[in-house]
This record gives sequence, C-alpha cells and structure tokens, in this order.
Amino acid sequence: RKEVEQDPGPFNVPEGATVAFNCTYSNSASQSFFWYRQDCRKEPKLLMSVYSSGNEDGRFTAQLNRASQYISLLIRDSKLSDSATYLCVVKGNDYKLSFGAGTTVTVRA
Amino acid sequence: DVKVTQSSRYLVKRTGEKVFLECVQDMDHENMFWYRQDPGLGLRLIYFSYDVKMKEKGDIPEGYSVSREKKERFSLILESASTNQTSMYLCASKPSGTGGSPLHFGNGTRLTVT
Repeated sequence: RKEVEQDPGPFNVPEGATVAFNCTYSNSASQSFFWYRQDCRKEPKLLMSVYSSGNEDGRFTAQLNRASQYISLLIRDSKLSDSATYLCVVKGNDYKLSFGAGTTVTVRA
Repeated sequence: DVKVTQSSRYLVKRTGEKVFLECVQDMDHENMFWYRQDPGLGLRLIYFSYDVKMKEKGDIPEGYSVSREKKERFSLILESASTNQTSMYLCASKPSGTGGSPLHFGNGTRLTVT
C-alpha cells in the first residue's frame, strides 16, 4: 500500500464551480500535512499547510481527519488559473516527506 | 525569498555515462533533498542530507550517490546512467528541525538517457 494515495482525476470543472478531493495516508503517526500545487512542467510550490482544526486561505479550504486518516482540499469559485496538479504531502516524525502522485484539476471557461 | 537553483533544465545523456546534477540554495538551509518524479508515481526520495558531509538514503537510492561538501550545494551523481533513470529530478531544501517547514524546490532537471 502506498503511504499517500490520491485520486488522480482529472477533475474537469467550469469556472465558478466548487471542487473537492481527498488524500489518504497510511501512517497514523504522521505529524504534518500539506497541499502543494504543481503547474505543468514546473516545480511544486506550497499551497497551504493543513491544521488539525481545518484552515482556509481565500478560496481554498483544507481539512484533516485523523480518525479516518485523510486530508481534503476544497476550492470554491474556481478560476482558470486554478488548473494544476495538487500534491498531498504528509510528514512523519522524521525528515521524511511522503508525496501523493497528485490530483489534476482542469477549470474550463 | 528562498532560491533553489538547479544547474540544468534539460539534459540528454548516453547509457553508461556519469552524470552530475547540481543544486544550490541561498537560504542557509540545513536540509537538502533529491527527488525524482515520474507519471503516476509522484515524487520519490532518492537521498537527503541534513548537514555538510552527511547523507541518508531515501526510498530509491540504487544507482545514485550524492555529495554535500558545502552547506549550500547538494549534488546528485548517476555513476553509470541507465534508461530507467530517465526522469524529472527535483532538488529541495528546508530549514532544520522536525517541524512543519515546507520544502522549497528548484525548477527541476529533465534528464533523458538514451
């Protein structure tokens, strides 16, 4: 079983729609959680950290469910510029970060 | 703003060649990492280093070695390149500590081994 699993998508949504997707992780001792965004042929960049109580950053909302071992990302009022691959990243109690393979989102006009 | 610079954006090498991928960061980060990214597999850790001259194997170290002679520079070496090492290679750095500091990535080196 992979340490971090994501639905690869693609999620094709119209502008203005809400899109949400999850990421599951296998290590119950995982301590930190992140969403990274990766544009085509570019490097990943941090989108937001995920906190235990859930957190928002503008149109983006991240949630953590420790009991079921998943995190989620919700994008409201989608923009064309939100088209990207979203990587789920989970950190254990060491240096190691485990990456999901990514969920591709395409926002169409 | 953190800058992580990888020396080459695209590389084409022949099977059996020795290949050096260079990475330099300018934020005095202790931790540096080399990943490869392949479709459907995500990022996989090859090696990381938490201090000068220190290195640890990641998940897929076979066929690779690394060098960290200076804090700002972390080199990935393919001793004898093979076609299955064709991939996107990403270098990253972060400050020390086990907290939730994010990784800062370089813009990647797309290596093709023919």
